[in-house]
Amino acid sequence: QKEVEQNSGPLSVPEGAIASLNCTYSDRGSQSFFWYRQYSGKSPELIMFIYSNGDKEDGRFTAQLNKASQYVSLLIRDSQPSDSATYLCAVDSNYQLIWGAGTKLIIKP
Amino acid sequence: DTAVSQTPKYLVTQMGNDKSIKCEQNLGHDTMYWYKQDSKKFLKIMFSYNNKELIINETVPNRFSPKSPDKAHLNLHINSLELGDSAVYFCASSPGGGARQFFGPGTRLTVL
Repeated sequence: QKEVEQNSGPLSVPEGAIASLNCTYSDRGSQSFFWYRQYSGKSPELIMFIYSNGDKEDGRFTAQLNKASQYVSLLIRDSQPSDSATYLCAVDSNYQLIWGAGTKLIIKP
Repeated sequence: DTAVSQTPKYLVTQMGNDKSIKCEQNLGHDTMYWYKQDSKKFLKIMFSYNNKELIINETVPNRFSPKSPDKAHLNLHINSLELGDSAVYFCASSPGGGARQFFGPGTRLTVL
């Protein structure tokens, strides 16, 4: 069974600091990696995706992928209270997405 | 325009009843999914359909039966509801398996 692992948290970060969320996966053949944000009572929404090794930046968000270590991370710079949510990592495997359990992020004002 | 819609948004029912949840997507996607998210927030895949054909059927009780009348619709029928079925059910769609998925707003099912 292919797996995606995330620390469930909660991860508490002061406002304005960098939040770092991590995810490891077991399928070496995975090619697509996604980060979703889910606010309480809402549905997951895609915030970043990455296909190649290295960094991908979009505004305050940076996704980092290391296929050799089977590791993908999400950095949130200048964290805001509105970033408080659960962040779900999803990885493609055999034409489906395998989901992590999510990391709850709390940004403290 | 709503991309993925679900009805109803809330469903409260008694144990033993039968209920259905409907899902529609207007994104032109070929693949649709049903997920269950329980109180611990873990997102568990239940079913996946590609062009009206069932391609993923995880370990789900037979009381759950998906139906896809066309590739824009995927409905979920649940027979003989049990307390443990209480959860939020999300419908999602994607251009294909393994691609980014778009989620509906969810249906919160409460079984009393």
